[in-house]
Amino acid sequence: DGGITQSPKYLFRKEGQNVTLSCEQNLNHDAMYWYRQDPGQGLRLIYYSQIVNDFQKGDIAEGYSVSREKKESFPLTVTSAQKNPTAFYLCASSNLKRELKDTQYFGPGTRLTVL
Amino acid sequence: GEDVEQSLFLSVREGDSSVINCTYTDSSSTYLYWYKQEPGAGLQLLTYIFSNMDMKQDQRLTVLLNKKDKHLSLRIADTQTGDSAIYFCAEANGFGNEKLTFGTGTRLTIIP
Repeated sequence: DGGITQSPKYLFRKEGQNVTLSCEQNLNHDAMYWYRQDPGQGLRLIYYSQIVNDFQKGDIAEGYSVSREKKESFPLTVTSAQKNPTAFYLCASSNLKRELKDTQYFGPGTRLTVL
Repeated sequence: GEDVEQSLFLSVREGDSSVINCTYTDSSSTYLYWYKQEPGAGLQLLTYIFSNMDMKQDQRLTVLLNKKDKHLSLRIADTQTGDSAIYFCAEANGFGNEKLTFGTGTRLTIIP
């Protein structure tokens, strides 16, 4: 089955700790994205990557870091510098070689709670 | 910059039609999308419309686009309990940066 997986589904972290969220896709998509979802605010873009070893900041990159060492993987690290990290995090990917290259496909999400 | 707006809540009786509205500001939008999110899950692509179209129908779903007013709507015919979800509209601005701008989402509640 092709798709996007995110792990873990639920994550708890103590204040001051860094935590890494996993995102893997086997769709052979070029681009990958990380979003943060808060109630009533829709999706906000954190980081995105269109090619291996390259990524760009989105609208709310402060306190987050990413890497894109492999095409299939785009992990997100939530650092202790992120002031309000409790949220639902969504990973997505898209195939830039298709006509509908903007169409994004989403993983199931990771809910991060800071205790 | 781009801005996409939606009402936060909509309640509809089972069997009636649901109409979810969206307004956007970027006149250079090429594609507009509708996504569905069920509780605790990721977003599922429902349908899309190209900016040179006025309407697109796909089974129970009808998308209407008024480009002059920058208004997009999603009509769900014969609404069922399984349609309860949050619905997001999103626009692609066509500059090739492959980013989508999402609305705030509309939570659709079905009344039995």
